[in-house]
Order: sequence, then C-alpha cells, then structure tokens
Amino acid sequence: DIQMTQSPSSLSASVGDRVTITCRASQSISSYLNWYQQKPGKAPKLLIYAASSLQSGVPSRFSGSGSGTDFTLTISSLQPEDFATYYCQQSYSTPPHFGPGTKVDIK
Amino acid sequence: EVQLVESGGGVVRPGGSLRLSCAASGFTFDDYGMSWVRQAPGKGLEWVSGINWNGGSTGYADSVKGRFTISRDNAKNSLYLQMNSLRAEDTALYHCARLATYDSSGYYLSWGQGTLVTVSS
Repeated sequence: DIQMTQSPSSLSASVGDRVTITCRASQSISSYLNWYQQKPGKAPKLLIYAASSLQSGVPSRFSGSGSGTDFTLTISSLQPEDFATYYCQQSYSTPPHFGPGTKVDIK
Repeated sequence: EVQLVESGGGVVRPGGSLRLSCAASGFTFDDYGMSWVRQAPGKGLEWVSGINWNGGSTGYADSVKGRFTISRDNAKNSLYLQMNSLRAEDTALYHCARLATYDSSGYYLSWGQGTLVTVSS
C-alpha cells in the first residue's frame, strides 16, 4: 500500500494569509494526487485533481503543485470560508489512501 | 444537480449485519464508478470499497475484505454496501462517492452526506 502523510496536522492562520500544506507519498505516485476540503458536518469537496488541476467552481486562490512523492496545496489569500480540514488522496493505486488531514483554523 | 443520498445506517450489535444504500440522481449513473468512504467519529477519511461502472470490477480495504460486499443496480441508480460480521471499529459515517471515470478507483467528484453506522453491544 502507498501511505500518505501530511504536514502540519493543524495550523492557525489569519484572513489574508498565504497558507501551504504539504502531502508526501511513501513511493512515487506521479501526479495522481488529489486535494479535498471538508467543513464540520459536511461532505468532503474536491478542490484539486491530478496534483495541479483546479476543479470547476473552485476559487483560483487554491492551487496545487508537485509530482513523484512531494506535493503542496497553497491558498494564496485565506478567506473566512476556507477554515476547514484539508485531505490529500492518492489515486495511483488501490487502496487509494487519504492523508490524515490538516486542520486550518482561525488565529 | 448531482445528489447522492445514503440510507440504511443504524445501531447494530457486534457480529451483526447492515445493508447501506445510496440513491444517485442528476447524472448518468452507469457512466461512473462509485465508492464507499467512511469516517470514524473525529477521525479522517478511510476508503472502504470501490466498484466500476458495470459492477465487473470491485476492490476492498483489507480491514473489510471478506466481510463487506459492494454492488450496484444501474437500472435503479443505486449503490449498495452489504456489511456482515460488524465490529466496533466499523463505527463510522459512511459516505457514498462518485468517481471521476467509469473505473473502480480514482478521485471523487461528488459525495453524499453519509449514513451513520454504530456497532455497539
């Protein structure tokens, strides 16, 4: 199985901050890396697929980069509605494991 | 509008069984693979099982293999998860999710709100 790790596990930030979350795979997954946002009591929402492709309807302040084993999700200017937990997920092989999540809360 | 509505959750004793259902609408159901993803209370997302567009290919997490069975009925636009020999560690919110392609794995375009399964004596 390919294991996924994320850092940090949580962070506190202010509105307008630039936020970067890192995801690492235990072996190369090419660009088969996806990012989701989940707010409390809600279903996850796809933000980024194939490492850097922005899902339709997702604000352009979200961006993804990386390939191989190291990936990042960047929020260029944090907005109040962005406070949530973010998960990466590899879709290179089965089982398509998720990372443990990064909780972004208000500073 | 894409909708995925799960049902069938509840409280069950260890060793018991449940059958979850997911009713899909707003898209051509048999064009897409589907999955079940669960989330234990206060925890992260865990892939449980996936099925391709026609049911011909399925996959399971090691933690549920041999106990859970995924299936679909394209005529009814429905996805199912038969869960047998349930354990306390199966307690979670179970989400139905639509994959981006016809395959049984990949990334998830849409998610349901989930149905809660509690395994407790």
